[in-house]
Amino acid sequence: QKEVEQNSGPLSVPEGAIASLNCTYSDRGSQSFFWYRQYSGKSPELIMSIYSNGDKEDGRFTAQLNKASQYVSLLIRDSQPSDSATYLCAVIPSGGYNKLIFGAGTRLAVHP
Amino acid sequence: DGGITQSPKYLFRKEGQNVTLSCEQNLNHDAMYWYRQDPGQGLRLIYYSQIVNDFQKGDIAEGYSVSREKKESFPLTVTSAQKNPTAFYLCASSFTRGSTTNEKLFFGSGTQLSVL
Repeated sequence: QKEVEQNSGPLSVPEGAIASLNCTYSDRGSQSFFWYRQYSGKSPELIMSIYSNGDKEDGRFTAQLNKASQYVSLLIRDSQPSDSATYLCAVIPSGGYNKLIFGAGTRLAVHP
Repeated sequence: DGGITQSPKYLFRKEGQNVTLSCEQNLNHDAMYWYRQDPGQGLRLIYYSQIVNDFQKGDIAEGYSVSREKKESFPLTVTSAQKNPTAFYLCASSFTRGSTTNEKLFFGSGTQLSVL
């Protein structure tokens, strides 16, 4: 079982819709969770971090964490074509300080 | 401007050749990392360093070597022992305070390594 799993996509949504990206992780003791956005051929950039159960909102982005289900998600409201990218879920496992474990990423395509 | 500079952007390696990827940061970050990214896969950790003159193996260190002689620099050598080196290599850094790490990673723009 992979440590961090994501659906590779592509996830295709129309402009203005809500995009929902999901991620599951295997280490129940994980404490820190991140979403990075990566445009093709570019380096990842951090868009959200979340550490406690519940929702965390930042502009059009909402991260949701459910530690009991070992599940973290990212919602993008009012999706724009510029949101088209690969979204990487990353987790710091228990005892893994300095070692971010990345999922394979979900490719999001927002069409006009 | 503060940031992380990786060079070269593209690199070609011949059979049996060692090549070195450069990574320099002027963010005054203590921790530096090297990741490898293959198509359709996430980033995998090769090596990381928390302080000067110290570094640890990541999950896929075989066939790679690093040094950390200066805080600003963390070069990665891809040796001839790495039989499948074609990948996108990303260098990153983060600020470390005491026993915890500010986990926000700042990434360089990457080096695409290919085999001739």
